[in-house]
Amino acid sequence: EVQLVESGGGLVQPGGSLRLSCAASGFTFNNYGMSWVRQAPGKGLEWVSTINYSGEGRSYADAVKGRFSISRDDSKNTLNLQMSSLRADDTAIYYCAKTLLPRDSGSCNDYWGQGTLVTVSA
Amino acid sequence: EIVLTQSPGTLSLSPGERATLSCRASQSVDSRYLAWYQQKPGQAPRLLIYGASSRATGVPDRFSGSGSGTDFALTISRLEPEDFAVYYCQQSGGSPKTFGQGTKLEVK
Repeated sequence: EVQLVESGGGLVQPGGSLRLSCAASGFTFNNYGMSWVRQAPGKGLEWVSTINYSGEGRSYADAVKGRFSISRDDSKNTLNLQMSSLRADDTAIYYCAKTLLPRDSGSCNDYWGQGTLVTVSA
Repeated sequence: EIVLTQSPGTLSLSPGERATLSCRASQSVDSRYLAWYQQKPGQAPRLLIYGASSRATGVPDRFSGSGSGTDFALTISRLEPEDFAVYYCQQSGGSPKTFGQGTKLEVK
């Protein structure tokens, strides 16, 4: 059974940093691209970042480019998102998600974690 | 950036009725990378349709997807009580990957 469990969310002051992690199990982690998608309170879904299966391809939404960094540790089956220079509009539930197709980071996301809440406030 | 516009914003229907949700793209989308998700309150999104028309594992056959180019649709043939939720389309072939703003399907 595929499981994705996010951790690391919490309350952080504007300008602060936070590191999110996603523990993956139930599939061959290093065969799949992984993404972070966020959802601000009461709002829609917003793609944040994707890393390909090898870790060599990374892409970011303009809103987070230069502030967030996605990475993966295949030895621990873990996806990470390092967030810095956080702003109030980064407040959201952050979901990690697995791509549907192996070795195709363009494919959609078939499994999602339950999300971790990040609140940026003074 | 490919902008996806979903309509209507809210759809009010009764159980047993047919629902048709629209997703229009600002430029042509590779159908292989057009997906639909369902999200219920307090839950993560659930993949329904990928490749514009293929049902994800475990998705009932009352859900179907269609379309190509810039116009896509999600149809629910006969609404069940558990189908009332918010639905999102997504294109994932280009960067940035983008979502539509969502259609809320509510009980009439």
